[in-house]
Amino acid sequence: KAGVTQTPRYLIKTRGQQVTLSCSPISGHRSVSWYQQTPGQGLQFLFEYFSETQRNKGNFPGRFSGRQFSNSRSEMNVSTLELGDSALYLCASSLMGDYGYTFGSGTRLTVV
Amino acid sequence: GENVEQHPSTLSVQEGDSAVIKCTYSDSASNYFPWYKQELGKRPQLIIDIRSNVGEKKDQRIAVTLNKTAKHFSLHITETQPEDSAVYFCAARNSGYSTLTFGKGTMLLVSP
Repeated sequence: KAGVTQTPRYLIKTRGQQVTLSCSPISGHRSVSWYQQTPGQGLQFLFEYFSETQRNKGNFPGRFSGRQFSNSRSEMNVSTLELGDSALYLCASSLMGDYGYTFGSGTRLTVV
Repeated sequence: GENVEQHPSTLSVQEGDSAVIKCTYSDSASNYFPWYKQELGKRPQLIIDIRSNVGEKKDQRIAVTLNKTAKHFSLHITETQPEDSAVYFCAARNSGYSTLTFGKGTMLLVSP
């Protein structure tokens, strides 16, 4: 079966712009979690969506937001980009959000 | 919230040696402990996980041990091979549908 698909793979944006990243989970998975990966900080949790509802939220500013659609696809949005937002953004899907997280390949965002 | 500490941050071994990576967690209610392997430029992949009702789990050359009293768990890799070189992340999740909290990762380098 198809894995977790993230688009786009690479993105270059200018400070102040906004960006939208997309994640399509494994078919049947209802939970999608987003993580920010940077070299010094590892994997930091952004938010989790389950059945179109945000179930958990990490400690990130309000510029980071997300949503989930009825087909479980999820998007995250970052507004007013800062240089420090440059990172690999990973999404992970699981059946119910409890076990067996499967990661996508990520979107590499570079802010210049 | 949960806090996961992972040691060491880097580990160099000779091919054929064993490697051990240790993690401690703070939330005594945590009950699920997965380990992920991330090769350079690739997505994190689940390699083994353990739940709090068992103390040890093995899968060929890898094993995970859990000490709930001390709140720590470890990844053991025996007969290491160059293809084991990667960054390894531990994670913990408490009961209910909370999120996975990750350690900062261990870069394992296996020299031929």
